[in-house]
Amino acid sequence: DAGVIQSPRHEVTEMGQEVTLRCKPISGHNSLFWYRQTMMRGLELLIYFNNNVPIDDSGMPEDRFSAKMPNASFSTLKIQPSEPRDSAVYFCASSPLAGGLGIQYFGAGTRLSVL
Amino acid sequence: GENVEQHPSTLSVQEGDSAVIKCTYSDSASNYFPWYKQELGKGPQLIIDIRSNVGEKKDQRIAVTLNKTAKHFSLHITETQPEDSAVYFCAASIGGGADGLTFGKGTHLIIQP
Repeated sequence: DAGVIQSPRHEVTEMGQEVTLRCKPISGHNSLFWYRQTMMRGLELLIYFNNNVPIDDSGMPEDRFSAKMPNASFSTLKIQPSEPRDSAVYFCASSPLAGGLGIQYFGAGTRLSVL
Repeated sequence: GENVEQHPSTLSVQEGDSAVIKCTYSDSASNYFPWYKQELGKGPQLIIDIRSNVGEKKDQRIAVTLNKTAKHFSLHITETQPEDSAVYFCAASIGGGADGLTFGKGTHLIIQP
């Protein structure tokens, strides 16, 4: 199994630009999570999906952030417009089971730098 | 919401010695407690987990204990090796891991040769 695949691995952009992060979960997993990691705040849950449906987006910092999961094998996290304080490592994780028995498997992350 | 505190932030031990990392959580409804290891430039990797119906779990050199009354859980690594050097995170979940994890701030474990 290839694991959770995230792209790009690194993204450098200028303030005000739109950024799209991509995630391919492990085949057969039906839960998908987006986390953000910074030195100051550590690992924070942004949003998660069960069966492609967003369940909890209370961790999304602002309306500038949006996430979609159009099908079971793909999800995007979009920031528009981006700001320097959005610089962080963004992780996607997937889990095989909703409802209590899920173990979360993380991708390698996307390191975002907003100049 | 849930709050997870983790200590210490940095831990240096001699190779071969044991390492203990401790976490406390605030929400008594939490029922799933995983531990992740993160190496530089990589994503967190699950090393062991425990659910609230179990008090202790062991996997070779790694063990986790859970005290639900006191709302704390600990990671124990015995016979530490250089490859154990990494950042370790504890986490807690109310929904068994299906609802997202609340992480501690991490412990940088350094194994001195």
